[in-house]
Amino acid sequence: NAGVMQNPRHLVRRRGQEARLRCSPMKGHSHVYWYRQLPEEGLKFMVYLQKENIIDESGMPKERFSAEFPKEGPSILRIQQVVRGDSAAYFCASSPQGSYYEQYFGPGTRLTVT
Amino acid sequence: QKEVEQNSGPLSVPEGAIASLNCTYSDRGSQSFFWYRQYSGKSPELIMSIYSNGDKEDGRFTAQLNKASQYVSLLIRDSQPSDSATYLCAVFSGTGGFKTIFGAGTRLFVKA
Repeated sequence: NAGVMQNPRHLVRRRGQEARLRCSPMKGHSHVYWYRQLPEEGLKFMVYLQKENIIDESGMPKERFSAEFPKEGPSILRIQQVVRGDSAAYFCASSPQGSYYEQYFGPGTRLTVT
Repeated sequence: QKEVEQNSGPLSVPEGAIASLNCTYSDRGSQSFFWYRQYSGKSPELIMSIYSNGDKEDGRFTAQLNKASQYVSLLIRDSQPSDSATYLCAVFSGTGGFKTIFGAGTRLFVKA
């Protein structure tokens, strides 16, 4: 299965800890997007990255959140000093170059902050 | 005004009927339009994309786009209970950023 992969699928962190969410795009895809979804709410855009570049981070909270997509390896969404309000499903999506931005989603990481 | 608006539903249709899902968007510079299906507890799945005015058909699904009215719709013919899900409308603008905005979704129930 060459779909978008995310890990871990479930992550539990205590308040104040760091959370690292990983996303490997589909083979041949060079664009990665991160979204957050709260229960019974829609998908909220966080950040759009290409290899080694952040293209649009207008949806990222100004503090504690960061994202990268290095030349080698998966994209990482990092949340420092997590709070209960960070509990949500975090989805990664990828798209190929020149695709009119058709995005294919991974299974998501469910983050629970205790 | 929300950037992408959908009726939250739930929309209930009998099996075999046509389900009609609607979406409006605010950015006239929007270029690409998508419909995703999301089952409860699962990730969104791309089912249709449309880029120019008119209709686009794929199996039981038809997407319709009217840029002048800033309106996009999804018709599901011969609805099946397995179509019961939340349908998300998504719009890519490309002006003032490169993000795709999702509507809050319409919940569809297909009654057997």
